[in-house]
Order: sequence, then structure tokens, then C-alpha cells
Amino acid sequence: DIQMTQSPSSLSASVGDTVTITCRASQSISTYLNWYQHKPGKAPKLLMSAASSLQGGVPSRFSGSGSGTDFTLTISSLQPEDFASYYCQQCYRFPLTFGGGTKVEIK
Amino acid sequence: EVQLVESGGGLVQPGVSLRLSCAASGFTFSSHTIHWVRQAPGKGLEWVSFISSSSGTTYYADSVKGRFTISRDNAKNSLYLQMNSLRAEDTAVYYCALDTVTPNNFDYWGQGTLVTVSS
Repeated sequence: DIQMTQSPSSLSASVGDTVTITCRASQSISTYLNWYQHKPGKAPKLLMSAASSLQGGVPSRFSGSGSGTDFTLTISSLQPEDFASYYCQQCYRFPLTFGGGTKVEIK
Repeated sequence: EVQLVESGGGLVQPGVSLRLSCAASGFTFSSHTIHWVRQAPGKGLEWVSFISSSSGTTYYADSVKGRFTISRDNAKNSLYLQMNSLRAEDTAVYYCALDTVTPNNFDYWGQGTLVTVSS
């Protein structure tokens, strides 16, 4: 199975900050990597596919990069609605696997 | 508008069975693969199972293999998850999740149904 390791598991930031979340795969997955945002009580939302392709309607302050085993999600100029948990997910091979998540909290 | 509505969750004792349903609308259900994903309390997301559009192919996470069965009824636009021999560690919110554009990307999600396994 492909293990996905996310860091940090949580972070505190202020509105306007830039935050970076990293995700590492236990083997190369090319760019078969998605990012999701999840708020309590809500359905998760697909933010980014293919490592760097922003989904429709997602603000451009979200960006993704990486290929192979190392990936990053960057949120520039953090907004109040961005405080949530973020998950990476590999879609390269079954079983599909998620990273452990990163909770972005208000400082 | 794509809609996925899960139902069938509840409080059950360890060892019993439960069947979850996901009612789909707003798209051609029979043309798309679909998944179950769960989130245990205080934990992250965990993929559970996949079924192809024609039901010909299914996959399961090791944690549920042999106990859970995914199925679908394209005539009823419905997805199911038969969960047998439930354990405390199966306690979670269960989501159905649809991929529409790229395989195994979860483009649309339901709101989830809570399954609690406790004596």
C-alpha cells in the first residue's frame, strides 16, 4: 500500500499569512495527488487534482506543486474561511490512501 | 445539480450488521464509478470501497475486506454498503463520494451518515 505522510498535523496562523502543507508518498505517484478541504459537519471538498490543477471555483490563493513523492499545498493570504483541515490523497493505485490531515487553526 | 444523500446509519452493537444507502441524483449514475469513504471521530479520512459503473469491479480497504460489501442498483440510482461483523473501530461518519472527471478523484460528496458501534 502507498503510505501518505502529511506535515504538520496542525498549525496556527493568522489571517493574511501564507501557509504550506507538505505531503510525502512512500513511493512515486507521479502527479496522481489530490488535496481536499474539510470543515466540521460538512462534506469534504476537492481543491486540487493532479497535484497542481485548481478545481473550478477554488480561489487562486490556493496552489499546489510537486511530483513523484513530494508535494505541497500553499495557501497565500489566509482568509477566515480557510480555517479547516486539509488532506492529501493518492489516486495512483488501490487501495486509495489519504494523508493524516493538517488542521489549520486561527492564531 | 449533483446530490448524494446517505442514510442507514445508527447505533448498533458489535457483531451485528448494517446496510448503508446513498441516493444519487443530478447526473447519470450508471455512467460513473463511486466510493465509500469514512472518518472516525477525531481521525482523518479513510477510503473504504470502490465500485465500477457496471458493478464488475470492486475494491476494499484491508480494514473492511471480507466484512463489507459494496453494491449498486443503477435502475434506482443507489449505492449500498453492507457492513457485517461490525467492530467498535468501524464507528465513523460514512460518505459516498463520486468521481466524475478523473478516476479516483472524489469530486462530489454526500453529507455523510454516522455509524456508531458500541455495546
